[in-house]
Amino acid sequence: AQSVTQLDSQVPVFEEAPVELRCNYSSSVSVYLFWYVQYPNQGLQLLLKYLSGSTLVESINGFEAEFNKSQTSFHLRKPSVHISDTAEYFCAVSSRQAGTALIFGKGTTLSVSS
Amino acid sequence: GAVVSQHPSWVICKSGTSVKIECRSLDFQATTMFWYRQFPKQSLMLMATSNEGSKATYEQGVEKDKFLINHASLTLSTLTVTSAHPEDSSFYICSALSPLGGATYNEQFFGPGTRLTVL
Repeated sequence: AQSVTQLDSQVPVFEEAPVELRCNYSSSVSVYLFWYVQYPNQGLQLLLKYLSGSTLVESINGFEAEFNKSQTSFHLRKPSVHISDTAEYFCAVSSRQAGTALIFGKGTTLSVSS
Repeated sequence: GAVVSQHPSWVICKSGTSVKIECRSLDFQATTMFWYRQFPKQSLMLMATSNEGSKATYEQGVEKDKFLINHASLTLSTLTVTSAHPEDSSFYICSALSPLGGATYNEQFFGPGTRLTVL
């Protein structure tokens, strides 16, 4: 079985500041890792994913996450946030077995203010 | 990209009534769909795995007689909340596994969710 721990429930930052949202996972098997974003009153959107290969993955809107197998972490970072990045961010994991569901962390609320 | 829809987007019902929520994959066939439940300010909890043509697999603690899941076609799964009570009020989200992505990885696409309020 897998589990995900998001260490920060809320992260308030000022616009243009850097941010890191932390995620640690636990699994007895190899996994895929994901970050999803949920804007207020909307559904989940895939932000980025790690499947294999380079441990650093990037999204089109400036976010990046690095898979660290030894620390079982997949922290999300952005060097300079915008007001529009205010949302709920969920880290998720799934086993590499085809057809398995995602297991989500409890989420981190990112609040960006001016 | 693949699109998953849910209907209705929100519903209010009286205690004791049943509510059906539909999840459709609009531009792909999904043999597997998942149903999640999200409480306010909390994470998504997997309720069940829905496989086309077979019985759903429920997670521990989820009452299968209360949350009826039917996956009658490759593009439609339904969740029926039977004899709903106020504690069933929640945000219900479905996802569908895309057949694309190769043999080892199938991306999940999420519906926009259905907000259920039971009075």
